[in-house]
Amino acid sequence: GEDVEQSLFLSVREGDSSVINCTYTDSSSTYLYWYKQEPGAGLQLLTYIFSNMDMKQDQRLTVLLNKKDKHLSLRIADTQTGDSAIYFCAESKARSQGNLIFGKGTKLSVKP
Amino acid sequence: DTGVSQDPRHKITKRGQNVTFRCDPISEHNRLYWYRQTLGQGPEFLTYFQNEAQLEKSRLLSDRFSAERPKGSFSTLEIQRTEQGDSAMYLCASSSQVLGNTIYFGEGSWLTVV
Repeated sequence: GEDVEQSLFLSVREGDSSVINCTYTDSSSTYLYWYKQEPGAGLQLLTYIFSNMDMKQDQRLTVLLNKKDKHLSLRIADTQTGDSAIYFCAESKARSQGNLIFGKGTKLSVKP
Repeated sequence: DTGVSQDPRHKITKRGQNVTFRCDPISEHNRLYWYRQTLGQGPEFLTYFQNEAQLEKSRLLSDRFSAERPKGSFSTLEIQRTEQGDSAMYLCASSSQVLGNTIYFGEGSWLTVV
């Protein structure tokens, strides 16, 4: 099965909070990342969390990590239309520092 | 701007031709990565350099693919005898072993094989 799984679509209204979820399988993962990709563009690093942390907050973004359940979430507060994009979760395996394993991405649609 | 730079951004080539992509990493970054992304999928790892040494290669990197980083700065990814299945976006990324290994991606190079 997939190493990293995400739901494919999420639709929210402008001003609401968005929560994008991700599950991973490798308990030895060191870093977990969230990237944003707009149509036709590369990946923009949004935030990351080290595996010994439970939570990280950065302005409108909050990352929660549940190592026991291998579950990662990204909360975007006060979601704006400019947040519409595909969001990728990725894990960095301890045994392979170069190899990020990505999910298929969650397409976030923000309705005005 | 000192972000990861890729060239060309778009390339259309005929099947059987060779293509080469270039990546210039962020200047103080000693690690450089190549990924491939097809429509509807997340990026997939191809290969990784630390300085000039190629430390890891994916099984996706067939013998038609070769990547180099001769002086530990820019890198090239060459695809020989292109096939239609090579059509994808090729993403380069870089990180610094000293600065915490946060991985930053470039804008990608789109390849269309016709």
